[in-house]
Amino acid sequence: GQQLNQSPQSMFIQEGEDVSMNCTSSSIFNTWLWYKQDPGEGPVLLIALYKAGELTSNGRLTAQFGITRKDSFLNISASIPSDVGIYFCAGHGGPWGAQKLVFGQGTRLTINP
Amino acid sequence: NAGVTQTPKFQVLKTGQSMTLQCAQDMNHEYMSWYRQDPGMGLRLIHYSVGAGITDQGEVPNGYNVSRSTTEDFPLRLLSAAPSQTSVYFCASSYGTGVNEQFFGPGTRLTVL
Repeated sequence: GQQLNQSPQSMFIQEGEDVSMNCTSSSIFNTWLWYKQDPGEGPVLLIALYKAGELTSNGRLTAQFGITRKDSFLNISASIPSDVGIYFCAGHGGPWGAQKLVFGQGTRLTINP
Repeated sequence: NAGVTQTPKFQVLKTGQSMTLQCAQDMNHEYMSWYRQDPGMGLRLIHYSVGAGITDQGEVPNGYNVSRSTTEDFPLRLLSAAPSQTSVYFCASSYGTGVNEQFFGPGTRLTVL
């Protein structure tokens, strides 16, 4: 399938640690989005990025749109228990067409208290 | 606003049965879409619609049918259920005809025996 390469697939960290995950593609995108999914729920948008090089924060979350337009990363600082979940990157505007979002496989974050 | 709603929450079907997954949104969004989520696969686009009367195929459309008679509703029909369609299905919508910043429903967990 047409998906982005997201890494790592899973992370096991201690509460208070910083987290970093990234997403790469062989194709360029116009928009990068980062979502979080809690168990039994639908994904919720965390951050949207629209320009190459853009760095955007949402509380303890920071995401960047790679300068090559082929990658993006998400950082979480000082993790807390409610950060547990699956994080997805999504790209828009690439070769799959302007009306489609393509998702990464997800990063499952587990936090040990 | 209720946002994006999906019914049912859970469903079990036998192979060959047909059914319709319901999706509705009260945000007056033009763009609506259906995804399926399988373990380790992220979300894959099944069908999408940029407005009433307009639908198009996504990445994995086979075995599914959609129609969009109103702005609010976007039902997904399984024509003859197969075990390979066991998955969690998410409906999403976004403002305008663009796909950015989609809002997701809570999902329907479907099991086909």
